[in-house]
Amino acid sequence: EAQVTQNPRYLITVTGKKLTVTCSQNMNHEYMSWYRQDPGLGLRQIYYSMNVEVTDKGDVPEGYKVSRKEKRNFPLILESPSPNQTSLYFCASSLSGLAGGRSQETQYFGPGTRLLVL
Amino acid sequence: AQSVTQLDSHVSVSEGTPVLLRCNYSSSYSPSLFWYVQHPNKGLQLLLKYTSAATLVKGINGFEAEFKKSETSFHLTKPSAHMSDAAEYFCVVSDYGGSQGNLIFGKGTKLSVKP
Repeated sequence: EAQVTQNPRYLITVTGKKLTVTCSQNMNHEYMSWYRQDPGLGLRQIYYSMNVEVTDKGDVPEGYKVSRKEKRNFPLILESPSPNQTSLYFCASSLSGLAGGRSQETQYFGPGTRLLVL
Repeated sequence: AQSVTQLDSHVSVSEGTPVLLRCNYSSSYSPSLFWYVQHPNKGLQLLLKYTSAATLVKGINGFEAEFKKSETSFHLTKPSAHMSDAAEYFCVVSDYGGSQGNLIFGKGTKLSVKP
């Protein structure tokens, strides 16, 4: 089954304790992205990756890191989490990293990771 | 720069009555527009998308949306609401002008369906 998976689905942590949220897709997609969803704000992009070893900042990258060493995986790293990073996080992927037709491509979303930072 | 405005944060309808969720967008380019749905405690699912072909787009579960360039609107409609339609709906524009392929999300409209 074609899907985007995220782990963990739920996480409670404390300020300053490093954590990683994993994201994996099995569709051979080039483009992957992380979003955070906050009430009343919709989804905002954190980081994206157009292909292996190619990553760039989205709209709200502060406090986050990513890596893309393999095509299928795109982990989100919080080196020193703070309470304002409490949120619902979504990973997404789509087929192409090219500029041309990408605007029309469907992005497939993972199930979400709910993070609480105390 | 692209932006999306969902005009209602909450819409309540009775089962069997029409649904209208309003969305206006701003774009410097020919936009691609999407509607996504998020059921409680679930991920995001694509309902439909507009990509400069037909202006009336049909999606899953009986939903459709019409792209109106003159009004910069992309409203989502359904003739008859079902209880299972209760969810949050996001209007989305694709950031075609940039290199990101970023999706710009509206703030969402929560749809409630009363029996």
